[in-house]
Amino acid sequence: AQKVTQAQTEISVVEKEDVTLDCVYETRDTTYYLFWYKQPPSGELVFLIRRNSFDEQNEISGRYSWNFQKSTSSFNFTITASQVVDSAVYFCALSEVGSARQLTFGSGTQLTVLP
Amino acid sequence: DAGVIQSPRHEVTEMGQEVTLRCKPISGHNSLFWYRQTMMRGLELLIYFNNNVPIDDSGMPEDRFSAKMPNASFSTLKIQPSEPRDSAVYFCASSQPTRGPEAFFGQGTRLTVV
Repeated sequence: AQKVTQAQTEISVVEKEDVTLDCVYETRDTTYYLFWYKQPPSGELVFLIRRNSFDEQNEISGRYSWNFQKSTSSFNFTITASQVVDSAVYFCALSEVGSARQLTFGSGTQLTVLP
Repeated sequence: DAGVIQSPRHEVTEMGQEVTLRCKPISGHNSLFWYRQTMMRGLELLIYFNNNVPIDDSGMPEDRFSAKMPNASFSTLKIQPSEPRDSAVYFCASSQPTRGPEAFFGQGTRLTVV
């Protein structure tokens, strides 16, 4: 069975601070995908990034970076120089490779960036 | 390209009434998912279609829930009869596994059953 844990329920930072959102996962599969989604106050779910289990390279996209460590089953998300517009709920998710591509979501982390 | 389109965005109905939620996936995507989001249970998969065929409906909570996908561009999720505990945000998502496993979500339907 798959499981995704986001232990941080809520995080509050002041604008321009860096913030890291933690994600720990469990799966019996050796091949899988990991994702981050953003849910802003307007409610939609926005895809941010996907990583394959066989690719442990970290990734940077502007102010966003992701650290994937298979040894610790973690896929953490860092926002550098946070902005008020980053305020949202962020979800980490996992899917197994194969015919069933459904996502197993973590419970989400509410990030509030204060001006 | 247009994203996943859901309708209605908001629905308020009385207990016992039938509710139908609609979804148009992204053109060319052959996988479609219905998720439900509640404070208590978070995001949970209800049902998953591949090439219009239901593959996994183990997440459908009760027989009151049914989903159809009559063609590649349309799906419905029906609740009959509705109950207050069905109040939630229902998301439809689609993906094209040959291009990547990520699912793209619609804006959701906020359902309130009073």
